[in-house]
Amino acid sequence: GQNIDQPTEMTATEGAIVQINCTYQTSGFNGLFWYQQHAGEAPTFLSYNVLDGLEEKGRFSSFLSRSKGYSYLLLKELQMKDSASYLCAVSDSNYQLIWGAGTKLIIKP
Amino acid sequence: NAGVTQTPKFRILKIGQSMTLQCTQDMNHNYMYWYRQDPGMGLKLIYYSVGAGITDKGEVPNGYNVSRSTTEDFPLRLELAAPSQTSVYFCASSYRDARDTQYFGPGTRLTVL
Repeated sequence: GQNIDQPTEMTATEGAIVQINCTYQTSGFNGLFWYQQHAGEAPTFLSYNVLDGLEEKGRFSSFLSRSKGYSYLLLKELQMKDSASYLCAVSDSNYQLIWGAGTKLIIKP
Repeated sequence: NAGVTQTPKFRILKIGQSMTLQCTQDMNHNYMYWYRQDPGMGLKLIYYSVGAGITDKGEVPNGYNVSRSTTEDFPLRLELAAPSQTSVYFCASSYRDARDTQYFGPGTRLTVL
């Protein structure tokens, strides 16, 4: 079967750095997405990785290792508005997205 | 551009009732999707469409139907509502397949009692 694993919840302090991990086992791989979802709102796109390595976009970076079936999202200089759920999703061999359950990130002052 | 719009935002149904969730996008996207999201769970794909007149089942299609008569609209029909269909429903669209960013509507929160 296809499976994506993320921690259920993480807590971090405002101004700090946090790394959210995602491991996946899917039938084929055509890229990995990270989405942000604030409570009661729709998911919004953060990043897309299809090749190994680190993609940096402002305070957010995303890393991919295809051989390990592993990705992480790195958030720097945390702000209170970063409190949200972060969803990992993999595009499989049928070009459909398989979604993880999401990681709820709690930021404390 | 309004992006992806969904109506209604909230709805309460009685068991056995039917309803249609509306979804419209104005980005001229070919691909459209319907997901449901249960508390603490990931998004589950119900149905998707790769263009007008073409629809296909996703992971959890039972109890639902869709149609795609135009590029813009992708309504989701619930027949004979059941408590198991209590969920938040999201419509999304993308220009091409799942290698492309998906843009989501604001969601419909449905409760079946």
